[in-house]
Amino acid sequence: DTGVSQDPRHKITKRGQNVTFRCDPISEHNRLYWYRQTLGQGPEFLTYFQNEAQLEKSRLLSDRFSAERPKGSFSTLEIQRTEQGDSAMYLCASSLGIYDRAKTNEKLFFGSGTQLSVL
Amino acid sequence: DQQVKQNSPSLSVQEGRISILNCDYTNSMFDYFLWYKKYPAEGPTFLISISSIKDKNEDGRFTVFLNKSAKHLSLHIVPSQPGDSAVYFCAASGEDDKIIFGKGTRLHILP
Repeated sequence: DTGVSQDPRHKITKRGQNVTFRCDPISEHNRLYWYRQTLGQGPEFLTYFQNEAQLEKSRLLSDRFSAERPKGSFSTLEIQRTEQGDSAMYLCASSLGIYDRAKTNEKLFFGSGTQLSVL
Repeated sequence: DQQVKQNSPSLSVQEGRISILNCDYTNSMFDYFLWYKKYPAEGPTFLISISSIKDKNEDGRFTVFLNKSAKHLSLHIVPSQPGDSAVYFCAASGEDDKIIFGKGTRLHILP
């Protein structure tokens, strides 16, 4: 299977602990996105990368959140000192990142997500 | 501040009829629009997209219409099938390719 892979699928942690999630995008994709989704809401943008460069980080994200894509391939999302409000589905997506006016290639492919529960 | 709005949280449609899902956006810099479908415990899957240089795009049973002056787009599914029951997300992006999603509409196809 050559789709977007996320690990783990589920994570239960105690408040105050640090957690790290991993995302492996589709191999030829240059763009990688992280989103967060809570019940009844759409995916909320967190951050995205063009190869190893982080292009933008959402203002909604506190300094407890950090993401890396060190070699332009897989990415990690770390949450330090977790809080109950961090409980959500964390989604990773990738795309070719080839920009043209028609944007025919600009499709996001999502992984199955990591469900985080902070107790 | 919701830049992409889906004002109907849910919609029920009889099998075989047309399903119409609506989406409004506020950012005039958006030039690319997408629809995604999501089943429980899975990530969203891409359905169909449209560039702002077009006003219609069709793919099988799915058609997306874009009205730039009204900042409105809609997804038409004809005919609706039981497997279409899912949550549908509208999304949009501009030159920065940061893709912003709406809150979704849950579609129920009734037998």
